[in-house]
Amino acid sequence: NAGVTQTPKFRVLKTGQSMTLLCAQDMNHEYMYWYRQDPGMGLRLIHYSVGEGTTAKGEVPDGYNVSRLKKQNFLLGLESAAPSQTSVYFCASSSGYWEVPYEQYFGPGTRLTVT
Amino acid sequence: EDKVVQSPLSLVVHEGDTVTLNCSYEVTNFRSLLWYKQEKKAPTFLFMLTSSGIEKKSGRLSSILDKKELFSILNITATQTGDSAVYLCAVWNTGNQFYFGTGTSLTVIP
Repeated sequence: NAGVTQTPKFRVLKTGQSMTLLCAQDMNHEYMYWYRQDPGMGLRLIHYSVGEGTTAKGEVPDGYNVSRLKKQNFLLGLESAAPSQTSVYFCASSSGYWEVPYEQYFGPGTRLTVT
Repeated sequence: EDKVVQSPLSLVVHEGDTVTLNCSYEVTNFRSLLWYKQEKKAPTFLFMLTSSGIEKKSGRLSSILDKKELFSILNITATQTGDSAVYLCAVWNTGNQFYFGTGTSLTVIP
């Protein structure tokens, strides 16, 4: 039981390059999320998914796209990276809010630098 | 504008002290409030509170929600050095948006 894993752990991109971050969970959770964390800003929700084949926008979705083709995987794409996207990215998964006990787990994070 | 405000920003206490961390919110269509502990890396989920006045407890940590006054507190009794971390509060609304505060940094001195 690995929990939530993220690939890669670190990445440096040049402005305009693209990349995909992969999140995988093995807990059969319906809900998955992508956040970014910046100093002094706290965590901000980028996109989320409430089930396989569904995605929705969070608070800061611009410049990012996501896909959830399989229940266990949630991909975050940057089509044309910008320095403002330099951040630590966290993936999380959770049970539904109605489930008891409620559980939620975060991945270890990906540190992305865009130069 | 939806927002979550935590106080204090930082706190330094001695082992054995009791601390109270505060989280106030203004978020439309409230569903639940969640508390997390963040050490070096990823946040760890602590509690989810949905109903007012019902205390959630886990060991030395406890939390309660007041939906009328729009705040929650997290209490840690008999603090230990391992409690040193940033504690995050978030509000989850019925539109599935999460709004996080910037956290309270707790340092416990031996």
